Amino acid sequence: DGGITQSPKYLFRKEGQNVTLSCEQNLNHDAMYWYRQDPGQGLRLIYYSQIVNDFQKGDIAEGYSVSREKKESFPLTVTSAQKNPTAFYLCASKGFGNTRIDHYNEQFFGPGTRLTVL
Amino acid sequence: QKEVEQNSGPLSVPEGAIASLNCTYSDRGSQSFFWYRQYSGKSPELIMSIYSNGDKEDGRFTAQLNKASQYVSLLIRDSQPSDSATYLCAVNIRPMNRDDKIIFGKGTRLHILP
Repeated sequence: DGGITQSPKYLFRKEGQNVTLSCEQNLNHDAMYWYRQDPGQGLRLIYYSQIVNDFQKGDIAEGYSVSREKKESFPLTVTSAQKNPTAFYLCASKGFGNTRIDHYNEQFFGPGTRLTVL
Repeated sequence: QKEVEQNSGPLSVPEGAIASLNCTYSDRGSQSFFWYRQYSGKSPELIMSIYSNGDKEDGRFTAQLNKASQYVSLLIRDSQPSDSATYLCAVNIRPMNRDDKIIFGKGTRLHILP
């Protein structure tokens, strides 16, 4: 059963703590993405990675870090430097090309992690 | 800054009617276009992809693309209360490139009136 998993579903963090959000996919996708969504707001790109051991900053990378040591995994660390981390965090993945031309470049999302700072 | 623009709504449509959602984008080089549905508290779900000018139909959904006008739309026929959600328009810029990413609009809230 292919898909994208994120854990935990809910996460509570004390101020000053670093926390790591997990994202795993078994779709054999090359590209993976992290987004943040605040209530009533759109998706904002944090980091993305096209291949293993390489990643790019998105629009709001400050206070976050990532690694891409395996194709299947793209964990996100929310550091204490992130001033307002309470949000809904979404991981997504995308394959390069597709055997079906009418499903080219489609991106799929995991179920999300809701982070709350106490 | 590449942009995708949508009317935030809410768009209220009677049950059984056609809901029409619109989106414009700024990057003329964009090649892939997507519509996602997002229920409150859930992650976005891909419902339509379109790559060439014209219409693409899938069940009650029709996506329309006009690259000359940089315009994408989604029609939902025979609207049901379960269609009430936020619909995100998304555009893939620089595909197959190290900077390959999808840009999302902020979404249109759709409310189907029973």
